[in-house]
Amino acid sequence: DGGITQSPKYLFRKEGQNVTLSCEQNLNHDAMYWYRQDPGQGLRLIYYSQIVNDFQKGDIAEGYSVSREKKESFPLTVTSAQKNPTAFYLCASSIGRTVRNTEAFFGQGTRLTVV
Amino acid sequence: DAKTTQPNSMESNEEEPVHLPCNHSTISGTDYIHWYRQLPSQGPEYVIHGLTSNVNNRMASLAIAEDRKSSTLILHRATLRDAAVYYCILRDERYSGGGADGLTFGKGTHLIIQP
Repeated sequence: DGGITQSPKYLFRKEGQNVTLSCEQNLNHDAMYWYRQDPGQGLRLIYYSQIVNDFQKGDIAEGYSVSREKKESFPLTVTSAQKNPTAFYLCASSIGRTVRNTEAFFGQGTRLTVV
Repeated sequence: DAKTTQPNSMESNEEEPVHLPCNHSTISGTDYIHWYRQLPSQGPEYVIHGLTSNVNNRMASLAIAEDRKSSTLILHRATLRDAAVYYCILRDERYSGGGADGLTFGKGTHLIIQP
């Protein structure tokens, strides 16, 4: 089945540690996105990538880093510089270079908790 | 940025139609209107999108006002499985002009379905 897969589903991190969230898609989509969601809130854009080896900051990129070495993969690293990393993280992909007239597909999310 | 305004919550009865409103008074001529929904602890799911004309698919209908400053998502016969947060979204203008177009999410409408 084609789709977008995030792993792990739950992740615990100690303060001061970096952690990497995985996002893989087999939909042959060019564009990929990372969002953060806090309880009772909407999604906020962290980073996005329209093509391999290129990515752009979203609204809340501080304390996060990404890479796009392969079309299928867009991992997100939550660094120790992110002051409040506990949240639900969602990865998305879409077909083309804009999402205005195409739908986006979302993974099932990774719930990160700092302990 | 083009923004949307939705009621925080709505309640409806099972097997009755549901009309979810969305205001987007600052919409630009090339903005597409997207609707997504999110079940608890899951990633958002695409519902429908449109530009100017009303749209129908197997999940719902989208009615767009003639001036495009508002739209309504119509669930023709709500079931308990339709209970979710519904997001009305416009393409993010900040990422236009050759860059990427990120989907910008507000808090959405929490739809409650009563049996």
